[in-house]
Amino acid sequence: DTAVSQTPKYLVTQMGNDKSIKCEQNLGHDTMYWYKQDSKKFLKIMFSYNNKELIINETVPNRFSPKSPDKAHLNLHINSLELGDSAVYFCASGHGTGNYEQYFGPGTRLTVT
Amino acid sequence: GESVGLHLPTLSVQEGDNSIINCAYSNSASDYFIWYKQESGKGPQFIIDIRSNMDKRQGQRVTVLLNKTVKHLSLQIAATQPGDSAVYFCAENWNNNAGNMLTFGGGTRLMVKP
Repeated sequence: DTAVSQTPKYLVTQMGNDKSIKCEQNLGHDTMYWYKQDSKKFLKIMFSYNNKELIINETVPNRFSPKSPDKAHLNLHINSLELGDSAVYFCASGHGTGNYEQYFGPGTRLTVT
Repeated sequence: GESVGLHLPTLSVQEGDNSIINCAYSNSASDYFIWYKQESGKGPQFIIDIRSNMDKRQGQRVTVLLNKTVKHLSLQIAATQPGDSAVYFCAENWNNNAGNMLTFGGGTRLMVKP
């Protein structure tokens, strides 16, 4: 199926640990994104990559490091996890120009204890 | 319900009635707007979009209205069904010189009573 996929779906970990979330899209899009959705459902962009290049970094702590090995993948690595990092993280992809619609993955619920 | 700030307002409607979800957007330079539907445990799903040179667009059972004068967007759902129960987000697109960026509103929860 053509889609945006993320792994894992759920991630429970302790403070101070380092974890990664993977994202893949097979829609042929040039641009990929990471969003954070808090407990109040507020959805905020974190990063945007176009053809493996970082184009938007919305004042996210440098503990968060996105990596794009190719334009179909955008992974998110988080160092030294904190309680406030608990949220649902969504990956999305889109054309980036012209048609601005973004297609979202199913989300990764991160719980930091 | 009106979707502003960080709270999550709720709109409760009877099955078969029409629903209207409102959104106030922030940037007068925004050139494109989208409505997304997010069901529990899932990612946001595209419903309908509209460009800033239009004031109305219709889809299947849904209509989006854009009022640029007051920076207001609304989503109308005709004959609301239980499957329409979800959180609805409006999003505006604008170019901040780094690239095109979607900024999401706070969301409105739609509950459909059978």
